[in-house]
Amino acid sequence: EIVLTQSPATLSLSPGERATLSCRASQSISNVLAWYQQKPGQAPRLVIYDASNRATGIPARFSGSGSGTDFTLTISSLEPEDSAVYYCQQRDKWPLTFGQGTKVEIK
Amino acid sequence: EVQLLESGGALVQPGGSLRLSCAASGFTFSSCAMNWVRQAPGTGLEWVSTIGTTGGNIYYADSVQGRFTISRDNSKNTLYLQMNSLRPEDTAIYYCVKRGGATGWGAFDSWGQGTLVTVSS
Repeated sequence: EIVLTQSPATLSLSPGERATLSCRASQSISNVLAWYQQKPGQAPRLVIYDASNRATGIPARFSGSGSGTDFTLTISSLEPEDSAVYYCQQRDKWPLTFGQGTKVEIK
Repeated sequence: EVQLLESGGALVQPGGSLRLSCAASGFTFSSCAMNWVRQAPGTGLEWVSTIGTTGGNIYYADSVQGRFTISRDNSKNTLYLQMNSLRPEDTAIYYCVKRGGATGWGAFDSWGQGTLVTVSS
């Protein structure tokens, strides 16, 4: 099973600051990694697919990078509505797996 | 607009059974692999099962293998999850999820609002 390790567990930043979230895979997964945003009481929402492609309706301040085992989700300038838990997920091998999540808090 | 509407969640005793349904609309259901993903209270996301477009490719997480059965009816645009021998650790919100991409096997691009399954005596 491919284990995805996200860091940090929690990120507390002010509006306008840059957020950098990391996801590391236990083995190479090429670029088949996605990022999801989940706000309290809501279903997850796709943010980035295939490592670097923004999903429909996602603001340009969100960007993804990486390949192989190391991936990054960057929010260039935080907005209050970006407060959420962010999960990475791989679809390279079965079973499909998620990271444990990074909580982004806005000060 | 893609819509995924789950139903069937309930309180059930350990060892019991439950069948979840997901009514899909707003896209070509028969062209997309469909999935169930669950989230236990206060925890992260866990993939449960995937079914291919025609029902011929089916995958399960080890935690549900042999107890859960995924199926689909493309004529009714509906996805199902039959859950047997339920355990307290199956307690979770169950999300119906569509996969996207040109092949229909891409990322999880649309999620339902979820249905709560509680396994408790």
